Amino acid sequence: SQELEQSPQSLIVQEGKNLTINCTSSKTLYGLYWYKQKYGEGLIFLMMLQKGGEEKSHEKITAKLDEKKQQSSLHITASQPSHAGIYLCGGRNSGGYQKVTFGIGTKLQVIP
Amino acid sequence: DGGITQSPKYLFRKEGQNVTLSCEQNLNHDAMYWYRQDPGQGLRLIYYSQIVNDFQKGDIAEGYSVSREKKESFPLTVTSAQKNPTAFYLCASSTRDTSGTGELFFGEGSRLTVL
Repeated sequence: SQELEQSPQSLIVQEGKNLTINCTSSKTLYGLYWYKQKYGEGLIFLMMLQKGGEEKSHEKITAKLDEKKQQSSLHITASQPSHAGIYLCGGRNSGGYQKVTFGIGTKLQVIP
Repeated sequence: DGGITQSPKYLFRKEGQNVTLSCEQNLNHDAMYWYRQDPGQGLRLIYYSQIVNDFQKGDIAEGYSVSREKKESFPLTVTSAQKNPTAFYLCASSTRDTSGTGELFFGEGSRLTVL
């Protein structure tokens, strides 16, 4: 089955700094999703990427999907304490309504 | 408002007992999913259903059972055969289209503790 690897697993940054989280798939992705989670709570949808080379932005968060659709990066510009949480990437490994698997997550701490 | 409701939020169970977690959605989504989350292991797929009266095993289905008798409901039963059931359980739903790229909407989760 598809595996999604995220890196780093943990990240501590000072407020105002930029950061990048990576997500790599062993297979071509038919849909790549980024979510944010506060500990012990549900997941909040951030962005969905479908096409190779696609890039989307929401406020200070930008996500890209590479041309081969096997790697995605999530970039946060000028981080704030409100960005703290666990970031998870999820992906569909084939077209149609197939299962969605997730990476291990990246725990982000932002120090004021 | 539309969304996914999981209940109970917290549940305690004695070893050897079965327990059922509820998941209800009013988003009119065809597909529904159950995930388990443990510290340091991300989300692991237990079962998923693409349509009423049909469901497939995910990566860690052993010791769990599901049913999908209604479009809105996808309950998960944690049986006594599950060796390590203490975890945070998340239910999700999504649209079902030919491209299969609908995002997942998640519930708030149910935390199960086995005593």
